[in-house]
Amino acid sequence: SQTIHQWPATLVQPVGSPLSLECTVEGTSNPNLYWYRQAAGRGLQLLFYSVGIGQISSEVPQNLSASRPQDRQFILSSKKLLLSDSGFYLCAWSLGGTSGKTDTQYFGPGTRLTVL
Amino acid sequence: GDSVTQMEGPVTLSEEAFLTINCTYTATGYPSLFWYVQYPGEGLQLLLKATKADDKGSNKGFEATYRKETTSFHLEKGSVQVSDSAVYFCALKGGGFKTIFGAGTRLFVKA
Repeated sequence: SQTIHQWPATLVQPVGSPLSLECTVEGTSNPNLYWYRQAAGRGLQLLFYSVGIGQISSEVPQNLSASRPQDRQFILSSKKLLLSDSGFYLCAWSLGGTSGKTDTQYFGPGTRLTVL
Repeated sequence: GDSVTQMEGPVTLSEEAFLTINCTYTATGYPSLFWYVQYPGEGLQLLLKATKADDKGSNKGFEATYRKETTSFHLEKGSVQVSDSAVYFCALKGGGFKTIFGAGTRLFVKA
């Protein structure tokens, strides 16, 4: 069966510090991968998605970046965090090799980031 | 572009009450429709889905029917439990790689 991992689970960082959040998927190959942010009491904001190694699509231009160095690894980074970067970051995957409309997204447990 | 609108929360119900959370959508073509649930401190998980008009998705006592004529996918449950307290997201997916999510509706169920 497939599983998705995110770490760390919780992170407190000062403004201006760098960020690296990691997501890995097991039990599937060539998944589509997604990073979302959920601000407190708000809905989901799609940040990045990737359909293959090294292929990143950005949905929101800001101080965040994403990379996919391996097939089942997705990393979210920042060189300098802002207060507004605080939130709950969710990684998700769906079946790869397709953009089928029936595809379910499977979410990780999330990382709660607080920028002080 | 495609969009999803769901009723604002929070919704507060007593245990065993009937639940309806409204969801309407705007989309070109014929998307699939989903309800996801997020329990406190966790990621989202699929609750149910429907892939074509008049399909009914159901799971854990929840159900929703894909109504093309009213562009709606309302979530219902006949008798809620305290353990159903969570945030519920309506979503749609057409062709392409992105799923469009609604803003979420928080449900509180009191014992």
